[in-house]
Amino acid sequence: ETGVTQTPRHLVMGMTNKKSLKCEQHLGHNAMYWYKQSAKKPLELMFVYSLEERVENNSVPSRFSPECPNSSHLFLHLHTLQPEDSALYLCASSQVGLDTQYFGPGTRLTVL
Amino acid sequence: LAKTTQPISMDSYEGQEVNITCSHNNIATNDYITWYQQFPSQGPRFIIQGYKTKVTNEVASLFIPADRKSSTLSLPRVSLSDTAVYYCLVGDYGAGSYQLTFGKGTKLSVIP
Repeated sequence: ETGVTQTPRHLVMGMTNKKSLKCEQHLGHNAMYWYKQSAKKPLELMFVYSLEERVENNSVPSRFSPECPNSSHLFLHLHTLQPEDSALYLCASSQVGLDTQYFGPGTRLTVL
Repeated sequence: LAKTTQPISMDSYEGQEVNITCSHNNIATNDYITWYQQFPSQGPRFIIQGYKTKVTNEVASLFIPADRKSSTLSLPRVSLSDTAVYYCLVGDYGAGSYQLTFGKGTKLSVIP
């Protein structure tokens, strides 16, 4: 596979569930990002990892927990979500020091 | 963070040139201007990036005036497949800095 992949593409979960979103990049990049895209709102940057270290956490609720085990993989662990957390969650990667971000197709999350 | 303002929507006929303007009055010295394209249920895709004056690639042109407080994305001879949301992104992509601002996007509808 090439580019940035995300699994699952669709996820429906209850408020008491625990689930994880996975992102994998095959571009040799060393920075990875999580974004949230809600209806009628701009993309919101959630987390940034650079060289496997978290460098940005934009006031995201603790029910979202990122994990970056290596430069190719990024996870977003979800627990005790709220219905307003329903959105498209996008992963992106880039090369540190360069600027173009490559996005995955996203995970459409619905919280019941 | 430099805030961006774009038209919410635009319509164009096939074959016409489309110009989408983005305002970013508070752009910082180190900020670059990047445009992304997003189709429904997909992640954004990089189109073009510039710092000042004019940049052109095989897809689009980007015009940036001397004061850099705005930028214009120009799509030559649009087709139906150019129907998408276009985002103006202003940010400092220097190493160690991840301050990004996505605009609300401009929904371009290309009419046959």
